Amino acid sequence: KAGVTQTPRYLIKTRGQQVTLSCSPISGHRSVSWYQQTPGQGLQFLFEYFSETQRNKGNFPGRFSGRQFSNSRSEMNVSTLELGDSALYLCASSLGGHPNQPQHFGDGTRLSIL
Amino acid sequence: AQKITQTQPGMFVQEKEAVTLDCTYDTSDQSYGLFWYKQPSSGEMIFLIYQGSYDEQNATEGRYSLNFQKARKSANLVISASQLGDSAMYFCAMILRAGNQFYFGTGTSLTVIP
Repeated sequence: KAGVTQTPRYLIKTRGQQVTLSCSPISGHRSVSWYQQTPGQGLQFLFEYFSETQRNKGNFPGRFSGRQFSNSRSEMNVSTLELGDSALYLCASSLGGHPNQPQHFGDGTRLSIL
Repeated sequence: AQKITQTQPGMFVQEKEAVTLDCTYDTSDQSYGLFWYKQPSSGEMIFLIYQGSYDEQNATEGRYSLNFQKARKSANLVISASQLGDSAMYFCAMILRAGNQFYFGTGTSLTVIP
């Protein structure tokens, strides 16, 4: 079956702009998590959605927001972009009901801020 | 506080040899899951193996095995018969039953030498 799909794969923006990233989970998966990956900070958890509700949130400013739709697809929005927002943004999905379920990751969106 | 610690930033192994990647974790929860992921240079995160906190036997998946020592809070990944395609970043991760957030280590870069 199809894996986790993230669009777009690459994105170039300038400071002050906003951006929306999309994630389509594996069919049947209801949990979607977002991560920011940078060389200096590693993988940092942004937030997790389950059945259209945000269940967990990492330690990121309010400029980072997300939502999940009834079909489990999720979007992440970053407003007022800063140079430090340049990163690989990874989306992961899982069934979400038990801690023995691995998260399956998409290929990521590489965001560059000029 | 750091929940997952990977102390080896980089490792080298000769092709066809076995290699152990270290991972220690910190939690007072009794129920949790431990995972290992592989991230090649292309960026995608690939799920390798899972170990539940109540599993008495070490998990194995093909050439991958997880050396789980609960009392020492360690979950080392053992790759047998290394192949050139094993060269990648390897991340250890934990999920607590009480939440749905994955905690990732900082990763170990493995290079397989022909």
